[in-house]
Amino acid sequence: GDSVTQMEGPVTLSEEAFLTINCTHTATGYPSLFWYVQYPGEGLQLLLKATKADDKGSNKGFEATYRKETTSFHLEKGSVQVSDSAVYFCALSVNTNAGKSTFGDGTTLTVKP
Amino acid sequence: DAEITQSPRHKITETGRQVTLACHQTWNHNNMFWYRQDLGHGLRLIHYSYGVQDTNKGEVSDGYSVSRSNTEDLPLTLESAASSQTSVYFCASSESRYTEAFFGQGTRLTVV
Repeated sequence: GDSVTQMEGPVTLSEEAFLTINCTHTATGYPSLFWYVQYPGEGLQLLLKATKADDKGSNKGFEATYRKETTSFHLEKGSVQVSDSAVYFCALSVNTNAGKSTFGDGTTLTVKP
Repeated sequence: DAEITQSPRHKITETGRQVTLACHQTWNHNNMFWYRQDLGHGLRLIHYSYGVQDTNKGEVSDGYSVSRSNTEDLPLTLESAASSQTSVYFCASSESRYTEAFFGQGTRLTVV
C-alpha cells in the first residue's frame, strides 16, 4: 500500500537556522502531497500542498517541491523562529481514494532562542 | 466561518463501557475521517465516509464503528472500551483528493 516516510525527530535548531525535513513516499500514480503542522494541544492544519509534479507549495516562509523522479516532498525554511516549534506531518492523497490521506509519523521541531 | 468541531475534548471512561465521540462539520464536505494519534505511530485511519449512508473501515477499525445519517456528522463509537484505545482522536473532512483535510481539535480519551 501507499506509505509516507519522513525524517525522524526530534529536531532541535537555534533561531534563524535553516530547516529541512525530508519526506518520501511510495504511492504510484499522481498523488497530491501535503505538509500539515500541529501546535501543542491542537489539531492538524494545512501548511502547504502540491498537486502535480514540479509544483512548489509555499506558506509562512516554508517551501516544498513535488519531485516525481525522487518521489520526495521535502519541507524547507530558510530561517526558523521559536514560533515554528511544532510537529510537522507529511501526507499524500491518491486519485483512487477520493481524499483519504496517508500520513507520515510526524517530526517534532523545537526552535531555541 | 465553516468549521469542524469535536466533543468532548477530554473523556475518561472505564473498560467495557460504550463511548461515542462526536464530530460535526459545517464545510458541507462529503468526505469525513476518524484518526487516532499515538506516540510513535503518527495518525492511523480508523473509519471514513464518502457520503451519507457510506462508511468504510480504515487500518485500525477493530473495536470501533461509525454511522453517517447526514452530511454534517460522523460519530465514532467504541463498542466496549479497552485500555489499548487510550489515545487522541481526530476527526477530519475534505472536499476532494486535491484539497486539504480540515481537522477538529481532537478528543483525548483515557480508558481506565
